[in-house]
Amino acid sequence: KQEVTQIPAALSVPEGENLVLNCSFTDSAIYNLQWFRQDPGKGLTSLLLIQSSQREQTSGRLNASLDKSSGRSTLYIAASQPGDSATYLCAVVANQAGTALIFGKGTTLSVSS
Amino acid sequence: GAGVSQSPSNKVTEKGKDVELRCDPISGHTALYWYRQRLGQGLEFLIYFQGNSAPDKSGLPSDRFSAERTGESVSTLTIQRTQQEDSAVYLCASSLEGHLAMRSEAFFGQGTRLTVV
Repeated sequence: KQEVTQIPAALSVPEGENLVLNCSFTDSAIYNLQWFRQDPGKGLTSLLLIQSSQREQTSGRLNASLDKSSGRSTLYIAASQPGDSATYLCAVVANQAGTALIFGKGTTLSVSS
Repeated sequence: GAGVSQSPSNKVTEKGKDVELRCDPISGHTALYWYRQRLGQGLEFLIYFQGNSAPDKSGLPSDRFSAERTGESVSTLTIQRTQQEDSAVYLCASSLEGHLAMRSEAFFGQGTRLTVV
């Protein structure tokens, strides 16, 4: 059974810091991995999608890497801003036995000004 | 529409009553997913629809839960005889392609916050 773990559960940093969020998954047979952000009381916003054949994806100040063999992904946020404060969720699409995204419990990020 | 739309945004119901939640996916998206997020918990997969294929219901927690989708359009999630443990945010997502060619991002709606009192 695929399990997704995110560390740390919560993180507080001052504005301007670079930071890394970690995601690990137990079964490396995935189709892709997706990072989302969730703001309080709102739905999820897709940030980056990495296909299983890719190593990383970049969007603005965000960079996500994928090491499928070790079952790990990282989300790197450069020059953090207060507006980055949210919960960041990692999700994988498992192999043929599974169909849907399997989520970690998220890392709640707080960036102070 | 421009995004995934869910209604109602909030629902308060009495224990034992039935509720129906609605999801309008992005037009043209063949795959539709329902998830549940309890307070302080991660997202739990409930059910997945892909085109006209039989849905994957493996995540439904009990037979009080059911969902329907007609073709590639609206889906409804029905919870019968609601219990307090059903209180959660119910999130719907859609994606352009289904799992067998999973190159597409999943886009989520804003969710329906269900409170069972």
